[in-house]
Amino acid sequence: DTGVSQNPRHKITKRGQNVTFRCDPISEHNRLYWYRQTLGQGPEFLTYFQNEAQLEKSRLLSDRFSAERPKGSFSTLEIQRTEQGDSAMYLCASSPPDRGYEQYFGPGTRLTVT
Amino acid sequence: AQSVTQLDSQVPVFEEAPVELRCNYSSSVSVYLFWYVQYPNQGLQLLLKYLSGSTLVKGINGFEAEFNKSQTSFHLRKPSVHISDTAEYFCAVAGGSYIPTFGRGTSLIVHP
Repeated sequence: DTGVSQNPRHKITKRGQNVTFRCDPISEHNRLYWYRQTLGQGPEFLTYFQNEAQLEKSRLLSDRFSAERPKGSFSTLEIQRTEQGDSAMYLCASSPPDRGYEQYFGPGTRLTVT
Repeated sequence: AQSVTQLDSQVPVFEEAPVELRCNYSSSVSVYLFWYVQYPNQGLQLLLKYLSGSTLVKGINGFEAEFNKSQTSFHLRKPSVHISDTAEYFCAVAGGSYIPTFGRGTSLIVHP
């Protein structure tokens, strides 16, 4: 069990550019979650998948954000036309079948938009 | 709608002293309650959870929490802290979908 991995760990981009992050969940985990965390705040839910189906999206997930989980394995989160307000830590978590309350978090991707 | 209030943004304490980190929640439905710990530059790790049953919940690293429905609280305690417990602690509440709403966090600072 290698844990949840996220790549890249850090990303610096210029305003207006597109970025994509990847999350690899723990194998056999069918649920995958994305959160955003800004300094001094707790994580805020963005979206989650059960297998390949995206079941819920937060109002925080503007139309510039899109997430996918093809084949129910890894997931990508893309932000188009980045803004300075997008600077945050983006966290991914996964949970096993029938134990959605048991979320295992990855180390996060820190995005800085200049 | 559900929300979490962590009453202290920072809690300084000396090593081997007891500590309590306070958490109050509001929710219109039955709740599940969690405490997570986050070390610098790392993701969150689940410390303990309350789903049902006994209101006293024991977790990892010697932490425990008590669910108090009448006071809508879920305070985290440890009888004797170590330097290694220095971290950010987050309380969270979830409903049936298990998607948590997190508090703003409490920074526990353990001094030698």
